[in-house]
Amino acid sequence: AIQMTQSPSSLSASVGDRVTITCRASQGIRNDLGWYQQKPGKAPKLLISATSSLQSGVPSRFSGSGSGTDFTLTINSLQPEDFATYYCLEEYNYPRTFGQGTKVEIK
Amino acid sequence: EVQLVESGGGLVKPGGSLRLSCAVSGFTFSSCGMNWVRQAPGKGLEWVSYISSGSSYIYYADSVKGRFTISRDNAKNSLYLQMNSLRAEDTAVYYCAREDFGGNSFDYWGQGTLVTVSS
Repeated sequence: AIQMTQSPSSLSASVGDRVTITCRASQGIRNDLGWYQQKPGKAPKLLISATSSLQSGVPSRFSGSGSGTDFTLTINSLQPEDFATYYCLEEYNYPRTFGQGTKVEIK
Repeated sequence: EVQLVESGGGLVKPGGSLRLSCAVSGFTFSSCGMNWVRQAPGKGLEWVSYISSGSSYIYYADSVKGRFTISRDNAKNSLYLQMNSLRAEDTAVYYCAREDFGGNSFDYWGQGTLVTVSS
């Protein structure tokens, strides 16, 4: 199975900050990576598919980049509603593997 | 409106069995691959199982292989997860999630159902 290493595991940031979260795959996965946001007590929500395709309704301050083994989620100008936990998911093959998650907290 | 609604969770003793269901509406169920994903209390997301639209392809995480069985009834717009030989480490919220059309992402999720394995 492909291993996904996500970092950092948590971060503190202020409203208006730019935040970057990374995921590294143990082998090349082309651009088959998604990013998900989860708020406490809620189901995960798909933000970005195929590395950089923003889902309908997701604010443009979210963006994704990368290819092969290294991927990045960037949140520009962090908003209060963005404080949540973020997960990457390799979508290259089965079994699927999530990253460990990054909790974005208010500084 | 796309909806996925899980049911069947509850408290079960170690070694016991439970069957989860996911009732879907708002899309052509028979055209979509489906997944189960779980989340242990305070932990991250763990993919559990996948079934293709026509049930031809089925995959499991190593942690549940041989104990869990995924199935679907396209006529009833329903997805299932039969869980046998349950262990304490299977305690989690279980989500069903749709694989998006023509892609690989999980674009719609249910609200989850809690399974607690404890004596």
